[in-house]
Amino acid sequence: DAKTTQPPSMDCAEGRAANLPCNHSTISGNEYVYWYRQIHSQGPQYIIHGLKNNETNEMASLIITEDRKSSTLILPHATLRDTAVYYCIVKMHNFNKFYFGSGTKLNVKP
Amino acid sequence: DAGVIQSPRHEVTEMGQEVTLRCKPISGHDYLFWYRQTMMRGLELLIYFNNNVPIDDSGMPEDRFSAKMPNASFSTLKIQPSEPRDSAVYFCASSRTLGITEAYGYTFGSGTRLTVV
Repeated sequence: DAKTTQPPSMDCAEGRAANLPCNHSTISGNEYVYWYRQIHSQGPQYIIHGLKNNETNEMASLIITEDRKSSTLILPHATLRDTAVYYCIVKMHNFNKFYFGSGTKLNVKP
Repeated sequence: DAGVIQSPRHEVTEMGQEVTLRCKPISGHDYLFWYRQTMMRGLELLIYFNNNVPIDDSGMPEDRFSAKMPNASFSTLKIQPSEPRDSAVYFCASSRTLGITEAYGYTFGSGTRLTVV
């Protein structure tokens, strides 16, 4: 039931910004955009979420286009420890199921 | 906070045996979720509870799987009898009731890697 489209993999040089895109062209007005990541052998980890405004926290920034049909997760200075699968998910805030798609495998290289 | 605690971390069992996976959610969280992850199917939601009551078990693959939540601090996922195709990593996650302005996420445990031989 994933309603998002992400590239299967991306590479990024250590220390550079990693920009991970996500298309969600069928997003409805009350659906939020969430980002999680899963480092190998660990449980998924919440990164950030947003509705329409750009958001920033200590881990990342989330840029949502004005029409809300796509978004970009930005890791400003990627490190080797950021190598993981990144999942973009859209969900109504009061709907309790998260459906994880295939995500983007981010490879941060030295 | 110790986070969501799952046990065991690894389980190897023979086909036909009963397997019980355990989860302790974060204190104060009133939602608990069980997911299964395989290479072929990715992360699948099996069942979730709210205030210890099962709300949606539509993802449970078959009658061999059952889940319980006897109290707010403990849940089990049982497979009886186990089969090799049940081999996967099983994750438990918890979250709390959302306020009007909140859109909170889950906190996942470290998972149980189950191997059925």
